[in-house]
Amino acid sequence: EVQLEESGGGLVRPGGSLTLSCAASGFTVSGYTIYWVRQDVGRGLEWVASISSSGAYIDYADSVRGRFTISRDNARNSVHLQMNSLRADDSATFFCARHFRAPSGSLHYYFMDVWGIGTTVTVSS
Amino acid sequence: DIQMTQSPSSLSASVGDRVTITCRASQSISTYLNWYQQKPGKAPKVLIYAASRLQSGVPSRFSGSGSGTYFTLTISSLQPEDFATYYCQQSYSLPMYTFGQGTKLEIK
Repeated sequence: EVQLEESGGGLVRPGGSLTLSCAASGFTVSGYTIYWVRQDVGRGLEWVASISSSGAYIDYADSVRGRFTISRDNARNSVHLQMNSLRADDSATFFCARHFRAPSGSLHYYFMDVWGIGTTVTVSS
Repeated sequence: DIQMTQSPSSLSASVGDRVTITCRASQSISTYLNWYQQKPGKAPKVLIYAASRLQSGVPSRFSGSGSGTYFTLTISSLQPEDFATYYCQQSYSLPMYTFGQGTKLEIK
């Protein structure tokens, strides 16, 4: 079965650091772009970061650029999100998701077809 | 950034009803529009991609339409398991996916 499972969430003080992991099973992460998406009550669903299948293309939302780092570990079939200088407004449930490309003639359409169950990050003193 | 706006924010309906949720993009996104369903404590699940294409395994009572800046998700006959929150998502300006704020579908 194709699955993703996040881990590493928890309670951290403002200014602190945390590293989230996303472990894949049933497929190889090196064949897909993987996204981190977070969700909280105030902002809804927000794209955070993404890493391409080759690792050559990495992108971040403006709200986390310079503080978060996404990486992949192909040997462990996983993706990680290192989060530094955490703020209260980073509190959210973090999901990792697989980026799927659906061909349609000469076009391609993209969506997130496999998601983990999420891990919760709480930034509070 | 492309902004996605859904309406209504919440909706009460009964089993068997036909319901429609709308999503507007701040600029044209062609048909690069996806719809997700999310139940409490669960991850989002894709229902529709490319504005109108049904994802494998999704019941045919779900349908999507639209292009450019205006899109709709319709559930033809609500079932008890359909009460959830629905999100639209644009995939036009990758990697920066943006989502609508969600529509919570509740039992009347």
